[in-house]
Amino acid sequence: GENVEQHPSTLSVQEGDSAVIKCTYSDSASNYFPWYKQELGKGPQLIIDIRSNVGEKKDQRIAVTLNKTAKHFSLHITETQPEDSAVYFCAASRTDSWGKLQFGAGTQVVVTP
Amino acid sequence: SAVISQKPSRDICQRGTSLTIQCQVDSQVTMMFWYRQQPGQSLTLIATANQGSEATYESGFVIDKFPISRPNLTFSTLTVSNMSPEDSSIYLCSVGMDPRDTQYFGPGTRLTVL
Repeated sequence: GENVEQHPSTLSVQEGDSAVIKCTYSDSASNYFPWYKQELGKGPQLIIDIRSNVGEKKDQRIAVTLNKTAKHFSLHITETQPEDSAVYFCAASRTDSWGKLQFGAGTQVVVTP
Repeated sequence: SAVISQKPSRDICQRGTSLTIQCQVDSQVTMMFWYRQQPGQSLTLIATANQGSEATYESGFVIDKFPISRPNLTFSTLTVSNMSPEDSSIYLCSVGMDPRDTQYFGPGTRLTVL
């Protein structure tokens, strides 16, 4: 089955700096890669996703890149703000698995003012 | 995106008892899933809730321990049976329109078993 590895497990950045989280996956048939943000006491919130026919996607300060050959994808947050502090999860799924998501271990991001 | 609610939001239960968690969506959805998130950990899929038929369980999860119902396209329940402290977790439902679509998560149910 699919295995998703996520690094780093914790990330501390100064406000205004950029943050990068990286994930690798094992199943070459995976074709959908969402990123979720989970704040304390809340459920995961989708922040951006990418499909395997696209190499990069941006939404304001957030971007995701996908390298299918190397089987890795990354989340980039620019101009970080204190409200970006949360746990971020990457995930992967394949269409023929009926949408079942395999999650990475998570990255605790702390943005210090 | 769909609005998802879960009940209860949190509960403290005694060992050996059972708790049923409800997931309600404000629109009809095709896919509904149940996940477990143990303290400080990532999310693990428990099962796919199938409308009108038995749920499909992932390896390591069984129907006797986690019975699931899905009577229609907007509602599902997960029961945690014969609980032990190891069942203390956040239980989350997620929904999607089809396998190629985005999944959205509910707020979660925080369960503590004493």
